[in-house]
Amino acid sequence: SAVISQKPSRDICQRGTSLTIQCQVDSQVTMMFWYRQQPGQSLTLIATANQGSEATYESGFVIDKFPISRPNLTFSTLTVSNMSPEDSSIYLCSVSKSAEAFFGQGTRLTVV
Amino acid sequence: AQRVTQPEKLLSVFKGAPVELKCNYSYSGSPELFWYVQYSRQRLQLLLRHISRESIKGFTADLNKGETSFHLKKPFAQEEDSAMYYCALTSGSARQLTFGSGTQLTVLP
Repeated sequence: SAVISQKPSRDICQRGTSLTIQCQVDSQVTMMFWYRQQPGQSLTLIATANQGSEATYESGFVIDKFPISRPNLTFSTLTVSNMSPEDSSIYLCSVSKSAEAFFGQGTRLTVV
Repeated sequence: AQRVTQPEKLLSVFKGAPVELKCNYSYSGSPELFWYVQYSRQRLQLLLRHISRESIKGFTADLNKGETSFHLKKPFAQEEDSAMYYCALTSGSARQLTFGSGTQLTVLP
């Protein structure tokens, strides 16, 4: 299994600012995934973070808006840049081990 | 492109009644399907996966490739089953997930 610590758990931010979300895993993993869950909607994959290479972004998500760092095999950050109210969502970090996905508790972001 | 459809946003049943949460998928390859559950104030967690053919907390799900469905069933619902349920499909070697929109199950006393 994998235990994921994600922080902050929630934040209220002013539009135009940036927020960095941290994700720490208790074991080494090759890939880490970042998902977004907008209000009333399902989880959507933002990007896959690989250690030692650039993240792979899904359609509709770009590096300038959601820069990702992956400095080692147990840690990743996702930054939500130049925020607008439309970025208000829950952001989730996830890893896959033995064909099972494990999730952080999520970061509830509100942009005002 | 792959897609997972859960037609019911909300589902309410009485305790002891059977429950079925519907899930349909579209995927060009051989799918690997899962049900994830999120109880109140807890993080998202795996409930069951189709390749295991197991029953977890009384829930079962059978993959029907002909109907492209993976419905979740339980013969006798319990109040503690109240939660948000997501059907998901994995694709690619990276094993990222495509989620359905989720069904909020409420089991009434």
